[in-house]
Amino acid sequence: AQKVTQAQTEISVVEKEDVTLDCVYETRDTTYYLFWYKQPPSGELVFLIRRNSFDEQNEISGRYSWNFQKSTSSFNFTITASQVVDSAVYFCALSEAEYKLSFGAGTTVTVRA
Amino acid sequence: KAGVTQTPRYLIKTRGQQVTLSCSPISGHRSVSWYQQTPGQGLQFLFEYFSETQRNKGNFPGRFSGRQFSNSRSEMNVSTLELGDSALYLCASSKDRGGSGNTIYFGEGSWLTVV
Repeated sequence: AQKVTQAQTEISVVEKEDVTLDCVYETRDTTYYLFWYKQPPSGELVFLIRRNSFDEQNEISGRYSWNFQKSTSSFNFTITASQVVDSAVYFCALSEAEYKLSFGAGTTVTVRA
Repeated sequence: KAGVTQTPRYLIKTRGQQVTLSCSPISGHRSVSWYQQTPGQGLQFLFEYFSETQRNKGNFPGRFSGRQFSNSRSEMNVSTLELGDSALYLCASSKDRGGSGNTIYFGEGSWLTVV
């Protein structure tokens, strides 16, 4: 069964628009961690944020913000005022007791100038 | 602070050959894990090493193996290469296996093409 679902395959926006990426996860563990990574064409997975299951406080970091809701098993990510450099594939991932990451399929974000 | 370093970055191998990929984790990180990324299967967990011991293994055939050295550096090996092994292989490291130390950082990956 898919543990992490990113329903959006591709999102295309014009620069300065906001982009929200959806992530829904599934786990029976009470302790788990959620991650967002960005993958530019070079291939490296760039760490953006980690949240543990006991911390539902939402966070804003510059143009990035995250909305973690355990009640709906969602961990959504928003880019405010998008820029061309934000173009990349974004992955949501779940780490459970086994300490391995289960990734979603990724969402390709294209920001047009 | 240096990030996760993987070598080589790009390589081309012939079917049936073997390949060894190397990974140097962030200084002070003791856990190293490997992932395979392909267009069809996405990102899949291969294995994880901690304190030179394999702690977890993904659903891959025995042709895929790895090890970790006392300095936490890791290598993975794929024997009898198949065309389907063509992929981006990503190494990741974290300070610890759980708790506050398990933020997982990735390297740039090794692009393997099997012809």
